[in-house]
Amino acid sequence: DADVTQTPRNRITKTGKRIMLECSQTKGHDRMYWYRQDPGLGLRLIYYSFDVKDINKGEISDGYSVSRQAQAKFSLSLESAIPNQTALYFCATSDPDSGSRGELFFGEGSRLTVL
Amino acid sequence: GQNIDQPTEMTATEGAIVQINCTYQTSGFNGLFWYQQHAGEAPTFLSYNVLDGLEEKGRFSSFLSRSKGYSYLLLKELQMKDSASYLCAVSPSGGYQKVTFGTGTKLQVIP
Repeated sequence: DADVTQTPRNRITKTGKRIMLECSQTKGHDRMYWYRQDPGLGLRLIYYSFDVKDINKGEISDGYSVSRQAQAKFSLSLESAIPNQTALYFCATSDPDSGSRGELFFGEGSRLTVL
Repeated sequence: GQNIDQPTEMTATEGAIVQINCTYQTSGFNGLFWYQQHAGEAPTFLSYNVLDGLEEKGRFSSFLSRSKGYSYLLLKELQMKDSASYLCAVSPSGGYQKVTFGTGTKLQVIP
């Protein structure tokens, strides 16, 4: 089983619908992140959380919200989806104190299409 | 802010050596990552450079010059499976880790 699991892996929805992408991890890392990836734009940080009580906006947080339900779970919500939120979304974890130099461990990705 | 620049695409021949460059301009710098991403898959960690110089790990090596804001990833003895995108990412200074990614270099290895 993957250490960082995202659900759903693929989702097609309509404009205006509420969507939640879920992420769970078994790595025991405190830090969790949500990125989106678009062709030609690379990975961009949406939100990050360094522990259950710490939530921070990334560079493109408008139109998104997150919830850190537990150390192992970090969810991304689109309250009212719009077509330009069509993208590949990645959840990631890190633990700079573990000797891994803060490398990011990514989930398999969630491909979202907003019609 | 952070500005990271790397070539969009490269093509190289199986068995050859290829160098993928990355230049960056940042307001603070801690280290530089390289990740590999096969099409439709998650990025996976390749290397992390903090100090100037070359770090070698099997067929892959990564170089960093902090004073020049420059890094490269060197892939030797190219294999078809090395066809992937290679992402350069900068870790800022300070106590928090908000890594900024470049747009990636898509490498195609041809027979």
